[in-house]
Amino acid sequence: DTAVSQTPKYLVTQMGNDKSIKCEQNLGHDTMYWYKQDSKKFLKIMFSYNNKELIINETVPNRFSPKSPDKAHLNLHINSLELGDSAVYFCASSHLQGSYGYTFGSGTRLTVV
Amino acid sequence: GQNIDQPTEMTATEGAIVQINCTYQTSGFNGLFWYQQHAGEAPTFLSYNVLDGLEEKGRFSSFLSRSKGYSYLLLKELQMKDSASYLCALHSGNTPLVFGKGTRLSVIA
Repeated sequence: DTAVSQTPKYLVTQMGNDKSIKCEQNLGHDTMYWYKQDSKKFLKIMFSYNNKELIINETVPNRFSPKSPDKAHLNLHINSLELGDSAVYFCASSHLQGSYGYTFGSGTRLTVV
Repeated sequence: GQNIDQPTEMTATEGAIVQINCTYQTSGFNGLFWYQQHAGEAPTFLSYNVLDGLEEKGRFSSFLSRSKGYSYLLLKELQMKDSASYLCALHSGNTPLVFGKGTRLSVIA
């Protein structure tokens, strides 16, 4: 019973392609997030979404867009992939305001060649 | 804005005690989290401090001083499996968690 599941676990693709990463949580949480972890292991927030409000980190290029079909899913779509997009992307979820902590998915290692 | 500082790397011996420090500057502070992340895996929750003082949970304890903008994670009776990165994260208002750059702990025999 995986709490937060992401697919795929590994993604290798060429520059210029468009790709999506899927995320699903079965914890009944109302807020979901996407974080990017770069080669220096620094975890940076990209988006948070709670069905009412999308918060976007202003440093995220608009080639990245979150899509939420329902409150259990928050997918990440990336257009025109660049070499610098190579990183590990983590999905997470929490109850509103996150006082009980975040539960993370196992991550998607994206390599752009 | 928010700023979090923690050491990049630490090394400690199996069976010993190690303290990982985290200093921060922020407005609208709710609390401070510690997460553990093994190489190639997801971060997992260790502790959450809201009030000043020490919270003990088995071999791991976490301390917070809000007035000093300071926290530490204390790991006792170190085991090889404790080799991992330890991430300090700020919980402020309704904004997503902001993580420090992590401290990579190596436990040696």
